[in-house]
Amino acid sequence: AQKITQTQPGMFVQEKEAVTLDCTYDTSDQSYGLFWYKQPSSGEMIFLIYQGSYDEQNATEGRYSLNFQKARKSANLVISASQLGDSAMYFCAMREQSSYKLIFGSGTRLLVRP
Amino acid sequence: EADIYQTPRYLVIGTGKKITLECSQTMGHDKMYWYQQDPGMELHLIHYSYGVNSTEKGDLSSESTVSRIRTEHFPLTLESARPSHTSQYLCASRTGGNTEAFFGQGTRLTVV
Repeated sequence: AQKITQTQPGMFVQEKEAVTLDCTYDTSDQSYGLFWYKQPSSGEMIFLIYQGSYDEQNATEGRYSLNFQKARKSANLVISASQLGDSAMYFCAMREQSSYKLIFGSGTRLLVRP
Repeated sequence: EADIYQTPRYLVIGTGKKITLECSQTMGHDKMYWYQQDPGMELHLIHYSYGVNSTEKGDLSSESTVSRIRTEHFPLTLESARPSHTSQYLCASRTGGNTEAFFGQGTRLTVV
């Protein structure tokens, strides 16, 4: 069954440092996609980065990169040079090719300290 | 900027009332989703659709129903609202493949 697990309910990071948010997934599909979203206190959902199961290189988008380890079924988000505005909830999500579901993990609350 | 809209943004309603939460998108996306989210908590998939006249229940048991008569419109209906339905409801849409989902601003529902 399709499942996303985020084991870190909350994380702290010092401003300007890097932080890794963990995400593991379970699927029987060979083709799937992994997403990360940011949800600030305002409640909007902001798309950050995407990784496809067949992508050979790790995805990067500005300060965001995805550490994709297919054999371990993990897709960790790395935020470099943290900023105060990065304080938010972060959700990992997965869509399978065989179904049209898009499911989310339980989220990680990141707090950036000045 | 995403063109997906939810109305109303906020709704306070009495127990037992029938309500419909509206979601519309102008991007021509065939896949649409409804999620229920308590503040700061997980997004639970309650319904999804992969095209006109196709709807499926999500992983979270819900007493709501949905319809998809037009591509751009995916309303969610609660026949008889209860206090346990108090939550935020998020609508999203996407095309296929590698594309991300775009989210509406959400409807914050309170049932008293």
